[in-house]
Amino acid sequence: DQQVKQNSPSLSVQEGRISILNCDYTNSMFDYFLWYKKYPAEGPTFLISISSIKDKNEDGRFTVFLNKSAKHLSLHIVPSQPGDSAVYFCAAFHSGAGSYQLTFGKGTKLSVIP
Amino acid sequence: GAVVSQHPSRVICKSGTSVKIECRSLDFQATTMFWYRQFPKQSLMLMATSNEGSKATYEQGVEKDKFLINHASLTLSTLTVTSAHPEDSSFYICSARDLGLAGVSWETQYFGPGTRLLVL
Repeated sequence: DQQVKQNSPSLSVQEGRISILNCDYTNSMFDYFLWYKKYPAEGPTFLISISSIKDKNEDGRFTVFLNKSAKHLSLHIVPSQPGDSAVYFCAAFHSGAGSYQLTFGKGTKLSVIP
Repeated sequence: GAVVSQHPSRVICKSGTSVKIECRSLDFQATTMFWYRQFPKQSLMLMATSNEGSKATYEQGVEKDKFLINHASLTLSTLTVTSAHPEDSSFYICSARDLGLAGVSWETQYFGPGTRLLVL
């Protein structure tokens, strides 16, 4: 049972335009969400996070939106740059579980076209 | 940022042999390390949580006798795939939490580059 879903395996965006990556989750106990970026042959690196008490978190060109009622979050990258081309993983966490376990989606491969 | 290394990056072995994968935190101490497995086009799936000086906690469906985890120091955890079979071929990746940072700061979980295992 996939508790974190990224339904788009890939996304292509023109340089300078907005990239929107989507993520849905089913476990209502998740209260902390993270986005990781992964280049080939490297491990995932943390990008941005959001707590369930917020609906938006912004860091430079990256903004994450959380819609708790819809169990949906999205990552906006604007403007998109060729260096943003990577696989983006959405991950969720239940802070009360005490196990520090992250649940990941399958990832979305973003290609930013120059 | 903090660096986590894995060795080897790629390994090919014969069916029935054992393979050891090392995960090291290079510039920080990690009481907790995590081992994930990723099959093609699938998500990272947590296999086990490795705690320094104690037994690892395995996720449901992961055979602890097949995937031996040792976390002997604050900078090293090892995963040994015993009697490997072709279905164990996968991408194994570890992550480590920085002991020095307080609070539930999930950005402090640093990932290694992964190990590609191919069992023939």
